[in-house]
Amino acid sequence: GAGVSQSPSNKVTEKGKDVELRCDPISGHTALYWYRQSLGQGLEFLIYFQGNSAPDKSGLPSDRFSAERTGGSVSTLTIQRTQQEDSAVYLCASSGKGQGVTEAFFGQGTRLTVV
Amino acid sequence: AQSVSQHNHHVILSEAASLELGCNYSYGGTVNLFWYVQYPGQHLQLLLKYFSGDPLVKGIKGFEAEFIKSKFSFNLRKPSVQWSDTAEYFCAVKHGSSNTGKLIFGQGTTLQVKP
Repeated sequence: GAGVSQSPSNKVTEKGKDVELRCDPISGHTALYWYRQSLGQGLEFLIYFQGNSAPDKSGLPSDRFSAERTGGSVSTLTIQRTQQEDSAVYLCASSGKGQGVTEAFFGQGTRLTVV
Repeated sequence: AQSVSQHNHHVILSEAASLELGCNYSYGGTVNLFWYVQYPGQHLQLLLKYFSGDPLVKGIKGFEAEFIKSKFSFNLRKPSVQWSDTAEYFCAVKHGSSNTGKLIFGQGTTLQVKP
């Protein structure tokens, strides 16, 4: 597709279960970002992939969170042993096709509810 | 650590009032600056961006922003707001002059425009 695609759009899970969130970036974009958006908290940076470089994981809140990007395209954010405080909207963005700096394009997000 | 600060968390204006939303960042090197908007129920989209050149940049829907390097600021302005401008506004900063470097967001400002 033409934009960033995230799935699922909504996910309800029980506390303690693992979840996987998927992001399909815009074709050819070299950079991919994951953010968490909570009410009143703005956009919290989680992790950043740039081409084949090692990802910047400095925003991951705990070792329960991990992400991978396969083949420089699709990315999966995994949250293990989910907690209620993990409830938020998880946003993915991609950028970087062509020369120079480009803006990031966002997906619609995955709303995660941990019950 | 890199940070972006938006001073106004919640702004309420009447239609036709002028708008200025503050944004400051904490990095002294080359920066690329963005304002994103999130309308109710929609995904984040770019409002305007500054990479280089004229520090006064114009975006969509009559918005503009001015980069003042000495003040580390990139405030968003609009001379006359409309009810349809009701949304959440995010300032973001990327360091450097290439496509590498993570994108850091401020906490966001909720704008409510009363008809």
